[in-house]
Amino acid sequence: GAVVSQHPSRVICKSGTSVKIECRSLDFQATTMFWYRQFPKQSLMLMATSNEGSKATYEQGVEKDKFLINHASLTLSTLTVTSAHPEDSSFYICSARDRSPGGSEKLFFGSGTQLSVL
Amino acid sequence: QKEVEQNSGPLSVPEGAIASLNCTYSDRGSQSFFWYRQYSGKSPELIMSIYSNGDKEDGRFTAQLNKASQYVSLLIRDSQPSDSATYLCAVKHPTGSARQLTFGSGTQLTVLP
Repeated sequence: GAVVSQHPSRVICKSGTSVKIECRSLDFQATTMFWYRQFPKQSLMLMATSNEGSKATYEQGVEKDKFLINHASLTLSTLTVTSAHPEDSSFYICSARDRSPGGSEKLFFGSGTQLSVL
Repeated sequence: QKEVEQNSGPLSVPEGAIASLNCTYSDRGSQSFFWYRQYSGKSPELIMSIYSNGDKEDGRFTAQLNKASQYVSLLIRDSQPSDSATYLCAVKHPTGSARQLTFGSGTQLTVLP
């Protein structure tokens, strides 16, 4: 089945630094990827929709200047948390949809990144 | 009103019993419904999808959809301790929406050996 690879799986950083998270679709092309954030014991909250070759679409309340999304190729989207603060500590998950012929259009998730900001 | 609602639980069932998980949604135009299983610290894993009214069975899992009542459920037969996880109900927005899925808050299931 389709595979979405997400790195790193865990990152600990100091307050004020920036962290980049990568999301790759390994065996299909993803024109659209989604970035979610999940706080402990809460559900996944969609942060933004990443579109290849164009600007990301952010959900209400998500700061686009703080959460930079780049989707430069059909297989890679990156999320950069700029000037991270402790309140940004969360589990970040990317997902992608396989829209190729024969693809099921199901949503495939990366393994997630646990971000801890000290 | 939340778009997708689930009882947060925790729901505890003995091993071998049937676990019943429920979900309601607010958007009548929704057409696609999914159940994901998420272990602690891991990303969600798709276990069932359902698109039409009625029941859909896959192994020990049965999804039930009632669009008139805006209700979708998941039954797990012969529950095993390995089924202990959080189960997320997800609803796909109608065609044309830029968003993909809206998730419920999840129901934590514990299967007691």
